[in-house]
Amino acid sequence: QSALTQPPSASGSPGQSLTISCTGASSDVGGYNYVSWYQQHPDKAPKLLIYAVSKRPSGVPDRFSGSKSGNTASLTVSGLQAEDEADYYCISYAGRNNLRFGGGTKLTVL
Amino acid sequence: EVQLVQSGAEVKKPGESLKISCKGSGYSFTSYWIGWVRQMPGKGLEWMGIIYPDDSDTKYGPSFQGQVTISADKSITTAYLQWSSLKASDTAMYYCARKLDHHFDYWGQGTLVTVSS
Repeated sequence: QSALTQPPSASGSPGQSLTISCTGASSDVGGYNYVSWYQQHPDKAPKLLIYAVSKRPSGVPDRFSGSKSGNTASLTVSGLQAEDEADYYCISYAGRNNLRFGGGTKLTVL
Repeated sequence: EVQLVQSGAEVKKPGESLKISCKGSGYSFTSYWIGWVRQMPGKGLEWMGIIYPDDSDTKYGPSFQGQVTISADKSITTAYLQWSSLKASDTAMYYCARKLDHHFDYWGQGTLVTVSS
């Protein structure tokens, strides 16, 4: 059971849009609409950004959006801000109460 | 307000046992799975397992089956993660989180476990 594949790093300038991918298989990302995304600032606990592929919890800015195509899910951050600099992780349901985690992407705001 | 409050940092020697805790409040503790997540220094998040406090049904991540024990005491709304014999490679931050459907909506503050001789 391999982890989901995320790019190790991504960067963008303030105001730009940026997309982070999360690639799995038909047994996880492609098989269920249960991909979630988390933001983790240094020395902080992860925070839920997106669940069920594209739903945002209350309080999360609409600059963050999620989507999925086939076995790849994506997190898009629009209008990048300095405080978006953090690590981002995807998690997918993989059936029978199993979860699969992505390796994480370090987002740098230039 | 939903809260998950974890026990404090621990420093242990290899071979020692350890049990860390995660106390839930502000919601029906027995109605949601609780998960445990490991983060080794400078590394990503890893799924350790989940427990349903109402009946203690437990599911372990593939890398952690047989390595740790997850338990819960619903009478005191607390979940636990324990080791019988720690190794240096268990040094990590450990998070508990409430599982809603198939995502984690609330997280504890983390417990740092350091294993060193």
